[in-house]
Amino acid sequence: AQSVTQLDSQVPVFEEAPVELRCNYSSSVSVYLFWYVQYPNQGLQLLLKYLSGSTLVKGINGFEAEFNKSQTSFHLRKPSVHISDTAEYFCAVSEGSGGSNYKLTFGKGTLLTVNP
Amino acid sequence: DAGVTQSPTHLIKTRGQQVTLRCSPKSGHDTVSWYQQALGQGPQFIFQYYEEEERQRGNFPDRFSGHQFPNYSSELNVNALLLGDSALYLCASSLFKWGPSSLEQYFGPGTRLTVT
Repeated sequence: AQSVTQLDSQVPVFEEAPVELRCNYSSSVSVYLFWYVQYPNQGLQLLLKYLSGSTLVKGINGFEAEFNKSQTSFHLRKPSVHISDTAEYFCAVSEGSGGSNYKLTFGKGTLLTVNP
Repeated sequence: DAGVTQSPTHLIKTRGQQVTLRCSPKSGHDTVSWYQQALGQGPQFIFQYYEEEERQRGNFPDRFSGHQFPNYSSELNVNALLLGDSALYLCASSLFKWGPSSLEQYFGPGTRLTVT
């Protein structure tokens, strides 16, 4: 069964510093990987996704992630964060089961707090 | 272009009662998925509806049921509410596709259910 581990529950950083949010997954078959952001009292917004192709994926708001199959990781990075990046970030995985039967399994989330 | 909308925003119920939550998908989408997000946790998949039928289901008891209408909107019903059902309930819509592109979901802001 697929599972996701977000290694840090909270990550505090200063504005304009780089940040990496870590995500490891467990799956025995091909996987599809996602990062979502959730601002306070809002739903989830898709940041980026890996379905196939290049292992370096670029998303919105300057975020990028790298799919590393050997390390079963999909870490999220941003070279310089802003106060407005303060939010909860969720990593999600889906196994390739064919057809249209795909469902997302989410990690527990990482709270990114950007301080001035 | 309206995104995913959910109603109500907040709801307070008593143990043992029944509740119905509503979701209207993003324009052009035909598939609706429901997730439960407990406090401090990532979203957990409840079920997915397409063509007015439940297509996939997560590990939730039969107390959780749903419906999809011909206009693609959906309802989530929970019977015999328990304190543990208190959570943010998220609706996500997508366009039915074969393959992992079906995972490109757009989330609504959620309904906060409190069971006392």
